[in-house]
Amino acid sequence: EVQLQQSGPELRRPGSSVKLSCKASGYSITDYLMHWVKHRPEHGLEWIGWIDPEDGETKYAQKFQSKATLTADTSSNTAYMQLSSLTSEDTATYFCARGGVYYGLLLNWGQGVMVTVSS
Amino acid sequence: DVVLTQTPPTSSATIGQSVSISCRSSQSLLDSDGNTYLYWYLQRPSQSPQLLIYLVSKLGSGVPNRFSGSGSGTDFTLKISGVEAEDLGVYYCVQGTHDPLTFGSGTKLEIK
Repeated sequence: EVQLQQSGPELRRPGSSVKLSCKASGYSITDYLMHWVKHRPEHGLEWIGWIDPEDGETKYAQKFQSKATLTADTSSNTAYMQLSSLTSEDTATYFCARGGVYYGLLLNWGQGVMVTVSS
Repeated sequence: DVVLTQTPPTSSATIGQSVSISCRSSQSLLDSDGNTYLYWYLQRPSQSPQLLIYLVSKLGSGVPNRFSGSGSGTDFTLKISGVEAEDLGVYYCVQGTHDPLTFGSGTKLEIK
């Protein structure tokens, strides 16, 4: 059974950074793209980007180019997303999601991690 | 970027009623390979999103057949034939034909 286990909730000060993890089980992360998605109830879902853990290639939505950095550790079957220069606009729930054979097919999702940015 | 406009933003239905949600794209989602990369996801309250429909009309694994998808080009529809209580949540259309991936604004389904 495919599962994506994300790290726990985070509280950060404005201007700091945070690194979120997404540990996969039931499959090898090198087999599919790993996507990251932002959720704020008043804004809906926003696609942040993806990483191909097989070769480290990444692609980002333009608005997250300088905000998010996606990496992966194949030895631990874990994907990571670092968010930098945090502001209140980054307060949200972040999901990792396993891609599928079609672009945009997000087959399995992590449980989400809440990041709160507050002074 | 491709803009996906969903209507209505909110829908209220009784159990057993049929509901349709529209997703209109700012560009055709027909890819040069002949596929149309249009998906529907449901995010129940306090849960992760889940796949309902892929490639416009194909049912995701384990998804009840009261859900169906249709459409082509720029206009797409998700239909729920006989709403059940567990169907409440926010429905999103997503396109993967054009980079970047984009989500619709969401349609909140409430149960009366």
